[in-house]
Order: sequence, then C-alpha cells, then structure tokens
Amino acid sequence: QMQLVESGGGVVQPGRSLRLSCAASRFSFSRYGMHWVRQAPGKGLEWLAVISDDETNTFYAESLKGRFTISRDNSKNTLYLQMNSLRAEDTAIYYCAKDRFSFGYLMDFWGHGALVTVTS
Amino acid sequence: EIVLTQSPATLSLSPGERATLFCRASQRVNIYVAWYQQKPGQAPRLLIYDASNRATGIPDRFSGSGSGTDFTLTISRLEPEDFALYYCHHRTVFGPGTKVDIK
Repeated sequence: QMQLVESGGGVVQPGRSLRLSCAASRFSFSRYGMHWVRQAPGKGLEWLAVISDDETNTFYAESLKGRFTISRDNSKNTLYLQMNSLRAEDTAIYYCAKDRFSFGYLMDFWGHGALVTVTS
Repeated sequence: EIVLTQSPATLSLSPGERATLFCRASQRVNIYVAWYQQKPGQAPRLLIYDASNRATGIPDRFSGSGSGTDFTLTISRLEPEDFALYYCHHRTVFGPGTKVDIK
C-alpha cells in the first residue's frame, strides 16, 4: 500500500516561515506529479500547488501570491512546501497528494496531513 | 475561474437508502470532474474520476455521471461507512461539499 507522510507542521508566528515535507514510499515517486492541498479548520479543501514528476513544471493557486514554493527531491522520495510570510489565515491541515499522471490535476492518493497553526 | 457548486449542502438519509449528490460547474468542463469522500479526521479519498470512472478499490455502489456542467454522484444503498463529506473537483477547484448524515 503506498504511503505519504507529511511532517514539519506546528505552531508558528505570523510573518515567519515553515517548510513542510512529504515522504513517499511504496510507489515510484519520481514518475508522478505531486500536489499540496490544505483545509482550514471546519472548512473545505483548497488546492495550493502542483509539481511535475521531473520538477520542470510547477503551478500555484493565485491566492498564494508567491509566498509558497513547491519542490521535490526524487533521490529522497520527498516533496516539500516552503511557506513564507505566514498569516493567521494559513492555519490549516496541509495534505500532500499524488497525481494520477506525471503532471496533471487529479489527486488519486493523499497523505494524512500536517497541521500548521499561525498565531502570535 | 471555474466555480463548482454542490447541492444539497446536507443530505439526511438512512442506511440502505439511495443518495444522489449534485455538482454544477460555472463553465463547461467536459467530463473532467472527480469526487472525493472525506470522513472526520481523515484525508480525502478519490472515489470517481472523469465523471464516471471508479477509482481503484471503490465499491460499485458508488457511481458517477454527467458531462459539461452538471454532474451526479450516486450511492445506490448507503452503508454505515458512507456517511461522510463528499467533494466534487475540477483541476484546481473543489466544490464546497455535501454532507451525508444519518437521518
């Protein structure tokens, strides 16, 4: 059974930075696009970013305004989300998800999520 | 940007009943709609992709239909584990969700 495990969440002050990681196992990580999606407490799902299998293509939600960066290290089977200038409204569970293809917009498997709380 | 609306917001049904959930796109999206199920404290799980294709391991009581702007997720006979939130999805957009709860 494939596995995605997020880490790096926690409590952070507004304006600070945080980097999330997503460790993948039991599938060929380097062959698939990967996504980050978040869910604020009691709210719906918000798609954030996608990266292609070979890192050459990335795409972001307009709402992020350049504050977040998605990246990956295929040698480590790990996906990252660098989050800068954090705001209270960034408080959410952050999920990484595997794409069905090398680059697309269909998330066919999700990790269990990492909670990020932005508060002073 | 495309907007997805879902109805109803909440569906109260009993086990064994049929559930019909709707998703409408603000523009035509061909067949490119997926449905996800989310239970409390869990990650979303892909149920249906390309409007009508069941994902791996999804029971056949789940079915999807539609194209263009109007899509439907049907659960033929609700099992206790089916009471959950359901989201429709197109590319970078999710609908607001339909909660299926026990009547």
